Amino acid sequence: DGGITQSPKYLFRKEGQNVTLSCEQNLNHDAMYWYRQDPGQGLRLIYYSQIVNDFQKGDIAEGYSVSREKKESFPLTVTSAQKNPTAFYLCASSIGVKNTEAFFGQGTRLTVV
Amino acid sequence: RKEVEQDPGPFNVPEGATVAFNCTYSNSASQSFFWYRQDCRKEPKLLMSVYSSGNEDGRFTAQLNRASQYISLLIRDSKLSDSATYLCVVPDTGGFKTIFGAGTRLFVKA
Repeated sequence: DGGITQSPKYLFRKEGQNVTLSCEQNLNHDAMYWYRQDPGQGLRLIYYSQIVNDFQKGDIAEGYSVSREKKESFPLTVTSAQKNPTAFYLCASSIGVKNTEAFFGQGTRLTVV
Repeated sequence: RKEVEQDPGPFNVPEGATVAFNCTYSNSASQSFFWYRQDCRKEPKLLMSVYSSGNEDGRFTAQLNRASQYISLLIRDSKLSDSATYLCVVPDTGGFKTIFGAGTRLFVKA
């Protein structure tokens, strides 16, 4: 079955530690995205990538980093520089970047303890 | 003005009611729009896309008003299972970002 997979579903991190969230898709989509959602809020774009080896900052990129070494994979690292990392992180992909629907993974819920 | 604004919620309606949500957008050049549904603690899933004046799928109707720059979502004969958050989505005109509204929460009660 084609889809987009995020792991882990739940993640706990100690303050000051970096952590990497995984996102893999087998939909052959060119574009991939990372969003952050806080309770009662909409989705905010962290980073997006149109093609392999290229990515762009979204609206709230500070404290995050990404890589796009393979078409299928777009991991997100939450660094210790992110002041308030506890949130629900959603990865998405789309066929192209213009005016196409996005398909989402099931999300990773990150909690800093 | 925010790029995408949605009706504040929550909307509390009885089963069988008709309910409508509005979403306004600021960029007049936007060409396509989407409504996503998000259940509590789950990922958003596409409900409807709107490319021209509107779209209808069973009990759900989405309409686009370009002159006033808003889209609406109408749900007829509400079911308990319709309880969710409905997100309005407007792709950036450059196409490289997708702008999500904050969402409208709907509670359908028996």
